[in-house]
Order: sequence, then structure tokens, then C-alpha cells
Amino acid sequence: QKEVEQNSGPLSVPEGAIASLNCTYSDRGSQSFFWYRQYSGKSPELIMFIYSNGDKEDGRFTAQLNKASQYVSLLIRDSQPSDSATYLCAVNRAGGGNKLTFGTGTQLKVEL
Amino acid sequence: KAGVTQTPRYLIKTRGQQVTLSCSPISGHRSVSWYQQTPGQGLQFLFEYFSETQRNKGNFPGRFSGRQFSNSRSEMNVSTLELGDSALYLCASSPFDETQYFGPGTRLLVL
Repeated sequence: QKEVEQNSGPLSVPEGAIASLNCTYSDRGSQSFFWYRQYSGKSPELIMFIYSNGDKEDGRFTAQLNKASQYVSLLIRDSQPSDSATYLCAVNRAGGGNKLTFGTGTQLKVEL
Repeated sequence: KAGVTQTPRYLIKTRGQQVTLSCSPISGHRSVSWYQQTPGQGLQFLFEYFSETQRNKGNFPGRFSGRQFSNSRSEMNVSTLELGDSALYLCASSPFDETQYFGPGTRLLVL
């Protein structure tokens, strides 16, 4: 079992729709959760981070965390073609420092 | 603020050689982490440095090493290069919390 699992996609959504990206993790010691966006040929760009159970909203993006189910998701409202990219879920274990474990990413395609 | 910078951006080496990559973090960031990204394995953590000390280490062989200087700039070194070391090497810097910001990466090709 991989430590962080994501559906590789591609996930195709029409422009203006809500895109829902999901991620599960296996380490119950994980304490912080991140979503990165990576365009082809570019480096990952931080979109959202969430530490507590529940929802966290930032503009068109909402991160959701359920530690009991070991599940974190990212919702993108009013999806735009410019949102087409690979979305990487990453988790950091408690215990100090930065040591992100990444999923393999979900490719999102927003179609006109 | 300027972002994370990495040099060089592209590098071609042959098997058996060694390579040194450089990373300058965002001003004020004291933590620098290194990651390797390949199509097969995805993004994998190499190591993290904080205040010139290695704070975390991933599961890579000893051929991969790093260091951090007093100005927070960091270097990573790969000795005795293998074909499988061809990858995008990413540096990320972090302020006091756990958010990490990535640089543009160094693309290494080993022939």
C-alpha cells in the first residue's frame, strides 16, 4: 500500500464545473496536508494546506480533511482551462521538520 | 520577495561522474529540502537542512549528500552517477511553519 494514494486520472471536467480531487494516506501520524499544482515542465506550486479536520476555503479552492477516514480532498469551483494541470497531494508526519510524502498526482483536464 | 533559485537549470553528465547542485532559498527561510522527481517514482524526499544541520533524511543511498551554509543556501551532491539518477531535482524552502515553496528545479541527464 502506498503511503499517499491518488487516482492518476485524467479527470475531465467542463469549464465552469466543480472539480473534485481525492487523496488517501496510510500514516495516522500525518499531521499536515498540502495540495500542489504542477504544470507540465514546471515545478510544483503550493495551492492549499490544511492541518485540522473540516474545510478550508481560499478563493475557488476548498481543501477538506477527515483524519478519521485518512482522507483529504481538493475542490476547485468554476474550473477554468488554466486549471488543467497535475495536482499533487502531500502529507507531513508529526515530529518536526519538513519531509513531505507525495502522491503520484491526478491529472486534471478542464474542457471548453 | 524573490523565489527559490536553483542552478544550474540543466545538466548533462556521464555515468561515474559526480555533480553538485545549488539552491538559494527565499530570503528569511531557514529550512531547505531536496526532492527527486522521476516519471516512474514521482516526487521523493531526499533530505532537509535547517540551520546548517540535516534534520530529516529520505531513503536514498549515501551517494546523495547535501549541506547548508550559514546564509541558508544549500548544495546537494551526487557521486558516482548512475543512469537512474536522471531526474528533476527540486529544492524547496520553508519559513517557520511547514509550508514549502519549490524552486524551478535542475534537470539532470546522465548518459
